[in-house]
Amino acid sequence: DTGVSQDPRHKITKRGQNVTFRCDPISEHNRLYWYRQTLGQGPEFLTYFQNEAQLEKSRLLSDRFSAERPKGSFSTLEIQRTEQGDSAMYLCASSLGSNPYGYTFGSGTRLTVV
Amino acid sequence: AQSVSQHNHHVILSEAASLELGCNYSYGGTVNLFWYVQYPGQHLQLLLKYFSGDPLVKGIKGFEAEFIKSKFSFNLRKPSVQWSDTAEYFCAVTIASNTGNQFYFGTGTSLTVIP
Repeated sequence: DTGVSQDPRHKITKRGQNVTFRCDPISEHNRLYWYRQTLGQGPEFLTYFQNEAQLEKSRLLSDRFSAERPKGSFSTLEIQRTEQGDSAMYLCASSLGSNPYGYTFGSGTRLTVV
Repeated sequence: AQSVSQHNHHVILSEAASLELGCNYSYGGTVNLFWYVQYPGQHLQLLLKYFSGDPLVKGIKGFEAEFIKSKFSFNLRKPSVQWSDTAEYFCAVTIASNTGNQFYFGTGTSLTVIP
């Protein structure tokens, strides 16, 4: 499978716990994006990386959220002290540079905070 | 701020009916336009895209869309829907001058096709 992979597919956690998601982009893609999709909404941009550098963060990304891409390959998104409002689908996407032609989304990680 | 509006939240059609889903965006500059489909339990899949040239673009599975710059619209059409077209449809925009190239999505339209 040469697509964008996300792990886990589903995560149920208790409020207040920390969670971490992983995204493996298409190998030759140097850009990696995180989006959040809540019920009844389209995906909303959270942040993106070019190689290992995090170049932009949405105001949706509160202090409890942190994303890394340490070696410019896979990325992790951590949410600390989860809240029920964090329940959503977290999508990862990758592309080669700013060219939107090959922009590819992963299947997402569905987070449920109980 | 840029925004994308999809006015039809839920559409129900019988098989063989024609489909048109509305999409409007708010941005005065050059945009790239997309329609994505999300089947139940699956990831977003690109249906079609417009970057430049012929404003009538054809995508996969018989879908097409027309870019009308004066109306800031990019409506999705299909002459005859099938039961298998039941899915969530998202219109999205990227700003051509934005090096970040993030997508701005509409809220989606849920399409149910009745056999």
